Amino acid sequence: GQQLNQSPQSMFIQEGEDVSMNCTSSSIFNTWLWYKQDPGEGPVLLIALYKAGELTSNGRLTAQFGITRKDSFLNISASIPSDVGIYFCAGTNAGKSTFGDGTTLTVKP
Amino acid sequence: DTGVSQDPRHKITKRGQNVTFRCDPISEHNRLYWYRQTLGQGPEFLTYFQNEAQLEKSRLLSDRFSAERPKGSFSTLEIQRTEQGDSAMYLCASSPDTGYNQPQHFGDGTRLSIL
Repeated sequence: GQQLNQSPQSMFIQEGEDVSMNCTSSSIFNTWLWYKQDPGEGPVLLIALYKAGELTSNGRLTAQFGITRKDSFLNISASIPSDVGIYFCAGTNAGKSTFGDGTTLTVKP
Repeated sequence: DTGVSQDPRHKITKRGQNVTFRCDPISEHNRLYWYRQTLGQGPEFLTYFQNEAQLEKSRLLSDRFSAERPKGSFSTLEIQRTEQGDSAMYLCASSPDTGYNQPQHFGDGTRLSIL
């Protein structure tokens, strides 16, 4: 079946630093999504990407839909303590989403 | 709050018991999804509905699992004869019916613990 490889698995950074994480797949996806999940809560949508090559920003977050449609990255600029959490990528085809296993982000003040 | 609502938030039960979870999607969303998430992993797709029709079921959904959406609004997920391996967070999501790749919006899940 379809699988997503998300990296890195975890990151420990200093407040103010920029962060980059990515997802790759052997399968093509029509949509790439990035979610953030806090403990005990459901994933919250951050950015949705619909076209190959698309670059989209949401505040300090920027994500790109890879040109091959098999990868995506998420950048967070000038990290702050509330950026702590688990970030998931998801690829979607025909309504069904396949998720990566997440990148756990820790931000040290 | 008009987000996806799930009930209960936590469920602890003994092995072998039946459990049922409820999901109320965002009111204008026709598509409803169920996922299972275990510690350290991303959500895994279980099944989804377009209105009241169940359109796809994952192989993860054994015969002990059944999901319904009788009137195309709320949905229930039932697990019969629960096993230790059923312990997980069960997430519900919904999306609008305007193209298959609309992003899904998640509830806060039901955490199931099997004793």
